[in-house]
Amino acid sequence: AQKVTQAQTEISVVEKEDVTLDCVYETRDTTYYLFWYKQPPSGELVFLIRRNSFDEQNEISGRYSWNFQKSTSSFNFTITASQVVDSAVYFCALRALIQGAQKLVFGQGTRLTINP
Amino acid sequence: EAGVAQSPRYKIIEKRQSVAFWCNPISGHATLYWYQQILGQGPKLLIQFQNNGVVDDSQLPKDRFSAERLKGVDSTLKIQPAKLEDSAVYLCASRRQGPGETQYFGPGTRLLVL
Repeated sequence: AQKVTQAQTEISVVEKEDVTLDCVYETRDTTYYLFWYKQPPSGELVFLIRRNSFDEQNEISGRYSWNFQKSTSSFNFTITASQVVDSAVYFCALRALIQGAQKLVFGQGTRLTINP
Repeated sequence: EAGVAQSPRYKIIEKRQSVAFWCNPISGHATLYWYQQILGQGPKLLIQFQNNGVVDDSQLPKDRFSAERLKGVDSTLKIQPAKLEDSAVYLCASRRQGPGETQYFGPGTRLLVL
């Protein structure tokens, strides 16, 4: 099955704390792509990062970092020194071949609340 | 570069009424998607277009939902007649051709069916 699991439904931390959002995926494909999107209260899904299955190099972008480990089928997202503006729902997604078409499969999302 | 545009942003209708949503993708993006996002869940794909052809509509409730992309650019999604359970955010997304290309999403249309 092609599936994404975000086990953390809600996380609440105090500003300036570090926080990690977990993402575990299942796929039979050898070539696939993983994504993280942010959905603020306005509702738009904002693209954060794309990673292909052949590139396990971790990535850092400012306060955001991503840890991709094929051995554990995980693609975790860490926010360092969190800020109130980071409050949003975060979705992990997998693009894989499903019924002959490339489809984006989303996790259930993690609602992150950063308290001042 | 302009993003994906959607209208209206909000719509309230009564059950059994009809409603239509419009989407204009990012210029040059051949692939267009419509998703339904129910509160507290991740987006669910309804239909995928490649230019003006349907690639996948396996999860579109065809008895009441229809979508078209006649000229391969903008698209409309219609619900007729609406049910209470159609209350959701309807998201449009587009991307360039190529397996690794990123989908970019519009702001969505929030539909409330009373």
